Amino acid sequence: EDKVVQSPLSLVVHEGDTVTLNCSYEVTNFRSLLWYKQEKKAPTFLFMLTSSGIEKKSGRLSSILDKKELFSILNITATQTGDSAVYLCAVEAGGTYKYIFGTGTRLKVLA
Amino acid sequence: DTGVSQDPRHKITKRGQNVTFRCDPISEHNRLYWYRQTLGQGPEFLTYFQNEAQLEKSRLLSDRFSAERPKGSFSTLEIQRTEQGDSAMYLCASSLYPTGPNSPLHFGNGTRLTVT
Repeated sequence: EDKVVQSPLSLVVHEGDTVTLNCSYEVTNFRSLLWYKQEKKAPTFLFMLTSSGIEKKSGRLSSILDKKELFSILNITATQTGDSAVYLCAVEAGGTYKYIFGTGTRLKVLA
Repeated sequence: DTGVSQDPRHKITKRGQNVTFRCDPISEHNRLYWYRQTLGQGPEFLTYFQNEAQLEKSRLLSDRFSAERPKGSFSTLEIQRTEQGDSAMYLCASSLYPTGPNSPLHFGNGTRLTVT
C-alpha cells in the first residue's frame, strides 16, 4: 500500500538554528513530491520535486529529492518564529493520480 | 485567480443529521480533491474528480459520504447520518492536469465539522 512517512514528528528549536525535515515514501509510479507549510488553516505550497538531485530553493528554505533511496529533505536555515508550523510532505502516485500525505512534522521555533 | 473557496467555514451539527459542504476550485483547474484532516494528522484522501467524473473514492470512505461535481466546476460533499467520528476539517483542493512544475495542489481554507 502506498505510504508517506515523515520524521521527526515534532521539533523544537531556537531562532537561528538550522533544521532538516525528512520524508520517505513508497508509492506506485511516483510522479512528484510536494512540500507544504500549514499554520492554522489551508496548507500552503512550498516546493514540487520531480527529479533526483536537483535542489529547489526559496529564501531560507530548500529541498531535494532522492528517487533511488525514496526520500526528500526540507531544510530551513536561520529559523525564525514565523517558521513555526506543521510541514507536510505529499507524494503524487501516477497510477491513481491522488496525493498521499504524511502526518507532518510540527516545528516550533522559540525566540 | 481567487483561489479555492469552501463554504461554510464551520458547521456544528447533531449526530444523525445530514450535512453538505461546497467547494469552488480555481476556475481553470480540471481536478478537484476532497481530503479530511483530524488533529495531529496529515490530510487523508477521500475522493477526486477530473472535470465531472469521479475517478476514485477512498476504500475507507463509508457509504454515508457522497460527492458530486455536476458541471465540472464546483463540488459538493455530503455526509448522511453524521457520527461523532466524522468531526474533522474537510479540505478541498484543485489542480490542473497534467501536473506541471507550476501546477501543484492548491487548498481551500477548509470546513470544520463538529458533530455533537
